[in-house]
Amino acid sequence: IAGITQAPTSQILAAGRRMTLRCTQDMRHNAMYWYRQDLGLGLRLIHYSNTAGTTGKGEVPDGYSVSRANTDDFPLTLASAVPSQTSVYFCASSVHRGNEQFFGPGTRLTVL
Amino acid sequence: AQRVTQPEKLLSVFKGAPVELKCNYSYSGSPELFWYVQYSRQRLQLLLRHISRESIKGFTADLNKGETSFHLKKPFAQEEDSAMYYCALIAGFQKLVFGTGTRLLVSP
Repeated sequence: IAGITQAPTSQILAAGRRMTLRCTQDMRHNAMYWYRQDLGLGLRLIHYSNTAGTTGKGEVPDGYSVSRANTDDFPLTLASAVPSQTSVYFCASSVHRGNEQFFGPGTRLTVL
Repeated sequence: AQRVTQPEKLLSVFKGAPVELKCNYSYSGSPELFWYVQYSRQRLQLLLRHISRESIKGFTADLNKGETSFHLKKPFAQEEDSAMYYCALIAGFQKLVFGTGTRLLVSP
């Protein structure tokens, strides 16, 4: 059982390029989340999904989009990357919204 | 709005010394609070939650509603406790709100 996985582990990206960060969980959790982790700012919620087919905006959604076509996958897309999106991105999931969240290993993204 | 405050960015102690990582929150109702830990190059993982009232790796945290605090304590720090610690709050069925984190550095 893998739990929750993310890909890629790290990526260097030119500004203006499109990028999709992948997140997959095999725990049949209903809720999934994307956070970015920045020094001095902690973790900030980008987008979330309470259940397959629904998504919602978090604290810092601008420049990002998500989809939840099925229970297991919750990809995060940067349509046109900018340097301020350089960060470590964590995906998380929970049985339901409000329960303990389990985190993926993170994706380190650098936008040049 | 819900808010979690961790006033210390860095806490440096010697091995064997007591540790207290501060966490204050703002929420008008009855919150559910957590401490998450992130060891170097590892994913975030839940350390403890206030409703379970348990001690994990020697750490405890007591919810003080009067002071709106949920400080994390350990009587004798170990080098392997060095990590980033995040306090987090769930209010009702809302999202998990994290503090900015405190880096604990335990020196030999």
